[in-house]
Amino acid sequence: EAQVTQNPRYLITVTGKKLTVTCSQNMNHEYMSWYRQDPGLGLRQIYYSMNVEVTDKGDVPEGYKVSRKEKRNFPLILESPSPNQTSLYFCASMSRGDSYEQYFGPGTRLTVT
Amino acid sequence: AQSVTQLGSHVSVSEGALVLLRCNYSSSVPPYLFWYVQYPNQGLQLLLKYTSAATLVKGINGFEAEFKKSETSFHLTKPSAHMSDAAEYFCAVMFSGGYNKLIFGAGTRLAVHP
Repeated sequence: EAQVTQNPRYLITVTGKKLTVTCSQNMNHEYMSWYRQDPGLGLRQIYYSMNVEVTDKGDVPEGYKVSRKEKRNFPLILESPSPNQTSLYFCASMSRGDSYEQYFGPGTRLTVT
Repeated sequence: AQSVTQLGSHVSVSEGALVLLRCNYSSSVPPYLFWYVQYPNQGLQLLLKYTSAATLVKGINGFEAEFKKSETSFHLTKPSAHMSDAAEYFCAVMFSGGYNKLIFGAGTRLAVHP
């Protein structure tokens, strides 16, 4: 089954404790992206990657890092989480030859206390 | 700046009534347009998309949307609401030259009452 998976689905952590949210897709998509969803703001892009070893900032990159060492994986790293990073996070992937449709993971709900 | 506006953060309809969720975008060049639905505690599911083919687009679950260039709109409709349609709906736009990013509206939460 074609899908985007994220782990963990739920995470409660404390300020300053480094964490990684994993994202993996099995569709051989070149493009992957991270979004955060906050009430009243919709989804905003954090980082994206056009292919392996190619990443760039989105609209709200502060406090986040990413890497793309393999085509299927695109982890999101919070080196020193803060309470304002409490949010719902979505990973997405896309094949540029597929009418630009992005496929979303199930989401990771992060709470930073 | 490129933006997407969804008019109405909350819409409430009766079961069987018409559903109309509004989406406008700011761009002089027609973009790619999408509607996503998010059910409680779930991820985003694509309802339909416009990618410069037919202006009236039919999607899943009986939804459809019409691209109107002159109005820069892509409103979502369904003739008869069902209780299972209660969810949050997001309009998203991929602007020409910006094929690396979807810009989302703030979302519209649809409530369906008996």
